Order: sequence, then structure tokens, then C-alpha cells
Amino acid sequence: GQNIDQPTEMTATEGAIVQINCTYQTSGFNGLFWYQQHAGEAPTFLSYNVLDGLEEKGRFSSFLSRSKGYSYLLLKELQMKDSASYLCAVRDSNYQLIWGAGTKLIIKP
Amino acid sequence: IAGITQAPTSQILAAGRRMTLRCTQDMRHNAMYWYRQDLGLGLRLIHYSNTAGTTGKGEVPDGYSVSRANTDDFPLTLASAVPSQTSVYFCASSYRDTGEQFFGPGTRLTVL
Repeated sequence: GQNIDQPTEMTATEGAIVQINCTYQTSGFNGLFWYQQHAGEAPTFLSYNVLDGLEEKGRFSSFLSRSKGYSYLLLKELQMKDSASYLCAVRDSNYQLIWGAGTKLIIKP
Repeated sequence: IAGITQAPTSQILAAGRRMTLRCTQDMRHNAMYWYRQDLGLGLRLIHYSNTAGTTGKGEVPDGYSVSRANTDDFPLTLASAVPSQTSVYFCASSYRDTGEQFFGPGTRLTVL
């Protein structure tokens, strides 16, 4: 079966750095996505990785290792507005997205 | 219209009633999707359409139907609602090859 695993909840301090991990087992791989979802809102796109390595976009970076079936999202200089759920999704061989349950990130002052 | 819209925003429905959730996008995306999101679970794909005139079943299609008469609209119909269909429903669209999906604001549906 297809499976995406990520921690249910994480807590971090404002101004700090946090890493959210995602491991996956899917039928085929055509890229990995990270989305942010604030409570009561729709998911919004953060990053996309299809090759191994690190993609940096401002305070957010995403890393992929296809051989290990592993990705992480790194958030630097945390702000209170970063409190949200972070969703990991893998595009499978049918070009459909398989979604993890999301990681709720709580930022404390 | 800017982006992707859904209607209604929320709805309370009696079990056994028929309901259509509407979704419209103005980005000329060829692919559209319907997901449901339940607490503790990831987004689950109900139905999708890769292009106007075609539809396909996702992970949880039972009890739902869709149509794609044109590029912009992708309605989701519950023929006879049941309480287990209580959920938040998101419509999304994308250019098929890039895969980045843009989401509508969601419809919160409660079936009593």
C-alpha cells in the first residue's frame, strides 16, 4: 500500500528553527510537495522537490532523498504566523497526490 | 472570479437528501480534483478529472459522482447523503504536468 508518515504535532519557539520530517512509500514517485494549511483554511503550496537535495525559498527549505524515501521541511526564524499544519504529499506513478495526515506546528513566544 | 471558488461555504443536510457542491476555476487548468479532509487523516481523493469530458475515481469515490462538462466547472454530487459524509470538502485544480494544485476555500458539510 501507499503510505506517508509525518509527526502529528510539534512545538517550537518563536525565532528558532524547526525541521518537519516526512517518510513515504508509494507506487512510483513523480515529486514531493509541501503545503501549509492554517486552521479553517485551504492548503497553500510551499515547495516541490523531484530531485535529491535541498530547495531553498526564503525562510523555508525542503530536502529530498529518493533512495531513503525521506523529505524534510525546514523553517527558520519562526514567526507566530507559522503556526499551522504542514502537509507532505507525493505524486505517484498515476500523477495523483498521496497525502500525509499533516503535522500541526505550534509556535510559542 | 480569481482562482478557484466553491459553494456553499457550509451546509447542514438531512440524511438521504441530494446535494451538489460547486467548484469553478478561472485559471484554465486542465485537471481538477475533489478531496475530503477529516480530522487525523490526510486529504483523500474522491474523484478527479484530467481534462474536460473525462473523470476518474479516487481513493474514496463511493456515494459521490462528478461531471466535467467544461474546463471551468467540476461539481460534486452526493446522491443520498449519509452521516459518514460529514467532512470538509476541497476542490483543487492544476496543470496536469506540473502537479502543483491550487485549492478552493472548502465546503464544510454536516449530514445529520
